[in-house]
Amino acid sequence: AQSVTQLGSHVSVSEGALVLLRCNYSSSVPPYLFWYVQYPNQGLQLLLKYTTGATLVKGINGFEAEFKKSETSFHLTKPSAHMSDAAEYFCAVSDRNNFNKFYFGSGTKLNVKP
Amino acid sequence: DADVTQTPRNRITKTGKRIMLECSQTKGHDRMYWYRQDPGLGLRLIYYSFDVKDINKGEISDGYSVSRQAQAKFSLSLESAIPNQTALYFCATSDSGTTLVGDTQYFGPGTRLTVL
Repeated sequence: AQSVTQLGSHVSVSEGALVLLRCNYSSSVPPYLFWYVQYPNQGLQLLLKYTTGATLVKGINGFEAEFKKSETSFHLTKPSAHMSDAAEYFCAVSDRNNFNKFYFGSGTKLNVKP
Repeated sequence: DADVTQTPRNRITKTGKRIMLECSQTKGHDRMYWYRQDPGLGLRLIYYSFDVKDINKGEISDGYSVSRQAQAKFSLSLESAIPNQTALYFCATSDSGTTLVGDTQYFGPGTRLTVL
């Protein structure tokens, strides 16, 4: 089975600072990769995904992520944090060899300080 | 209107009671899923269904059962609720026709269940 590791359960940045949320997966076959965001009291919303092609993927709200096969990573970044980015972020992988079953990381809560 | 809806949104119940959580979708997707979310553990898959006649256990199915009444409806039941089933429950859908684009899952708003 796949596993997904998100380093840092809580990340705090100042408004305007770089956001970097880390995600590593374990698989010999590159899976499909996703980042979801969960705002308070809401469901999960897709931020971006990587399936094939260009390894730098742009998503909504100015976020982007880069797939690095050699590092088995899919870190999420945003150049300048906004107060509205405060939420919990989940990395997920979809196992191509197992009917595209999803595996989620444990989540990273992003706090943005004024 | 939301594409994936869940009822109820909040429920408080007592140990030993039977509870049903319902999920409906208007996306026309054939695949549906039930997850539970616990702080620090992310989302864990309870059951999934690839079509009306296909039901599969996820990683934490003990104590739960499901029913796929139609393509658009997928219900989760707790036959005899216990306190450690207190969690946030999410329903999700995906379209098998989009396998080549990673089978993106779309989530409902969640049901917060408290078992006393």
